[in-house]
Amino acid sequence: NAGVTQTPKFQVLKTGQSMTLQCAQDMNHEYMSWYRQDPGMGLRLIHYSVGAGITDQGEVPNGYNVSRSTTEDFPLRLLSAAPSQTSVYFCASTGGKTEAFFGQGTRLTVV
Amino acid sequence: GENVEQHPSTLSVQEGDSAVIKCTYSDSASNYFPWYKQELGKRPQLIIDIRSNVGEKKDQRIAVTLNKTAKHFSLHITETQPEDSAVYFCAAAYNFNKFYFGSGTKLNVKP
Repeated sequence: NAGVTQTPKFQVLKTGQSMTLQCAQDMNHEYMSWYRQDPGMGLRLIHYSVGAGITDQGEVPNGYNVSRSTTEDFPLRLLSAAPSQTSVYFCASTGGKTEAFFGQGTRLTVV
Repeated sequence: GENVEQHPSTLSVQEGDSAVIKCTYSDSASNYFPWYKQELGKRPQLIIDIRSNVGEKKDQRIAVTLNKTAKHFSLHITETQPEDSAVYFCAAAYNFNKFYFGSGTKLNVKP
């Protein structure tokens, strides 16, 4: 049972480049979410999904897009990377009556 | 939306002493309050949680208390050990969805 799997673990982008952070879970969880973690600011919710085909914005959605075509996958897209998006990104899933299970994180640097 | 505040941001204790971390939340609808421990470079992992119909929960050296009227909850760690050193996050959620996190407390347990 892999849980929540994120790829890649590390990424360096140039300003203006685009990329997709992948997140997959094998626990059949309906609810998935993306957070960014910055020093001294905890984990801030970017986007979330309550099921396939349904997504919504969190606290800091600007500059990010998401889609949820299957229960298992919830990719996060950066359309035009900016230095302010340098952060550690975590994907998480919950089964509706359980705690949030986190992926191992993606450390993104935008130069 | 929900707003979770966490104090202190750093906490240094001597091995064997107790540590207390406090959080407040703003949305009275929140009914689930987990605590996560994050070691350096790792993903957050659940250490204890409490639901709104319970005032206190204990698991060995760790306990959490919840005061719904005052909208605050606290993490208590007794007989601290060096391996307790980490960053701790509180969170609040409604029905296990859309978790809002505090800004984190860096706990340092000195041998």
